[in-house]
Amino acid sequence: GAGVSQSPSNKVTEKGKDVELRCDPISGHTALYWYRQSLGQGLEFLIYFQGNSAPDKSGLPSDRFSAERTGGSVSTLTIQRTQQEDSAVYLCASSLLGGGLAGDEQFFGPGTRLTVL
Amino acid sequence: GEDVEQSLFLSVREGDSSVINCTYTDSSSTYLYWYKQEPGAGLQLLTYIFSNMDMKQDQRLTVLLNKKDKHLSLRIADTQTGDSAIYFCAESYSSASKIIFGSGTRLSIRP
Repeated sequence: GAGVSQSPSNKVTEKGKDVELRCDPISGHTALYWYRQSLGQGLEFLIYFQGNSAPDKSGLPSDRFSAERTGGSVSTLTIQRTQQEDSAVYLCASSLLGGGLAGDEQFFGPGTRLTVL
Repeated sequence: GEDVEQSLFLSVREGDSSVINCTYTDSSSTYLYWYKQEPGAGLQLLTYIFSNMDMKQDQRLTVLLNKKDKHLSLRIADTQTGDSAIYFCAESYSSASKIIFGSGTRLSIRP
């Protein structure tokens, strides 16, 4: 596809359950990012991948959150034992180069809206 | 520390200019951005400016940067109904890939 895609678009889960969110970046993009947008808040950085490794995971809010990226492409964000405060829109972005290089635009997907009951 | 602040709402009349303001705290920011988020859509990069510039113009958009006051603004000339969206101010550093976002300004257009 032409852009970043994410699935599912909506996820409703019960407190305590685990969820997996998927991101398909733009083909050929080496860098991938996860952000979280809570109601009325700006976007909060979670983790950044360069290839399959994550040089910056400083934004993961707790050890219940983890992410992996395989084959330099698809990434999965996993939230274990979900809590109500995890409810948010989770946005994925990809960029061609990463590393904070000039003009390396991050392209965002439409997001996954997670609701924890 | 890293902090980006902007007002939550702005209402303008169709055809007028919209000015969305933002302040940031980290003077080591290298790039400053404006993103647009329309309902149900992902974020779209509108424009960005290097911290060594003080102005950038792109069609109806004008970005002004006052580095001394750490103040960034986005002016949209001849605002149209299609400009209704949430506008996010953001910053990043050349040594890091993450982008620090403000909470967004919801722009509404009245007839």
